Order: sequence, then structure tokens, then C-alpha cells
Amino acid sequence: TQLLEQSPQFLSIQEGENLTVYCNSSSVFSSLQWYRQEPGEGPVLLVTVVTGGEVKKLKRLTFQFGDARKDSSLHITAAQTGDTGLYLCAGEIARTGRRALTFGSGTRLQVQP
Amino acid sequence: DTEVTQTPKHLVMGMTNKKSLKCEQHMGHRAMYWYKQKAKKPPELMFVYSYEKLSINESVPSRFSPECPNSSLLNLHLHALQPEDSALYLCASSQLQGPGGDTQYFGPGTRLTVL
Repeated sequence: TQLLEQSPQFLSIQEGENLTVYCNSSSVFSSLQWYRQEPGEGPVLLVTVVTGGEVKKLKRLTFQFGDARKDSSLHITAAQTGDTGLYLCAGEIARTGRRALTFGSGTRLQVQP
Repeated sequence: DTEVTQTPKHLVMGMTNKKSLKCEQHMGHRAMYWYKQKAKKPPELMFVYSYEKLSINESVPSRFSPECPNSSLLNLHLHALQPEDSALYLCASSQLQGPGGDTQYFGPGTRLTVL
């Protein structure tokens, strides 16, 4: 059973389009991170969200953490070819005392020129 | 500075070889992690060290042996690996903040090929 469901798994869009990636769980998370990963490289942190209902913006990227801290979304406005990559959500499940991340399955984004 | 470094970048080894992967961070983080990532899959947790002590071992085979010599260094010793162990091995570190959650920073990874 996947604790963090990420969708869509694959997305191919044209430059300039908008897109949203979703991360859903039945578990409550203490915090949730979004990473972007290039092939053969390590994941690079984009954002950490901690508070239910929190919204963070990073240039054209907008991140939301659900009120109940069970879900999150990443919205990209006017996608560019440089946004191409694997997007991973990952979170620390609350109240388990387990200091480890649970990863979503990832969304592979391809932005065509 | 949020840099985690890993060496080597690439490693090719035979099934009878012994090799080690190295990871270093100078952010004063008190937790360090090893992950294994196969192609087109998310990272899978292998080991967690908290305050230089092994706190999580995700039932990893004994041919993988972690070591944390000090709070800045993390090693992964490899011996008698199998071809299916070929993968990207990622190291990460985190501050070990309070119950409000923790952020992990990843290194660039070591691409391991077992022949």
C-alpha cells in the first residue's frame, strides 16, 4: 500500500501551459517536502510545508498544504522547458516518532518547446 | 550552505569486490540517511543515523554495512553485492528538529553498477 499517492505519474505539456501535481494520503504529516530530480542526480529541495493550509510561492511554483495536513499540491504557471524533471513529494508521518520520509511515486514532467 | 557531498560519483564493481561509498555534510545536521533508488522509482530508505547511532535499518541485507565515524561523515561499506544492487545510492542529512517536522537535504548520489 502506497502511503503517499502522487498524480499524475507522467505529464507532457507545451511550454507556457499550467499544470498541477497532487500528493494525497490518509495519514497526517508533520511536514511535507517537494523535490525536483534530474536523471542521475540527487533530489533538490524546492519547499517544505509544515502548517495546515499553508501556501508557499517560489517564482512560478505554488505549493499548498491541506488543512488537515494529509495532502499537498504543486502548481506551475507558464511552464518552461527547464521545469522538465521528476517531481517528488515526501513527508514525515506525524506522531510515529519515526524520523524518516515517506515518498510519493513521483511525477515525471516533460515540457515541450 | 545546504550541501551534502558524495564520493565517488560513479562506481563499477564485481560481485567479489569490497568498496565504500562516502557522504559528508558540514551543516551541523544530527541525522544522516542512506537511500537506494532504482530507475524511474522514488528513493527507498535503507538506514538512518541519529546522533551518530543507527536508529533505523530497513531490513537491508548484511552485504551493505553502514558506518558513522562522526557527525559529519557517513559511509556505506559494500561487499559481495549482486547485479540487482545496481542503483543510485543517495545520502541525505537533516537537522533533527522538534516534532514539527524535519527537512532532508540530499547529495548528488553515487551511481553503482555491479557486474
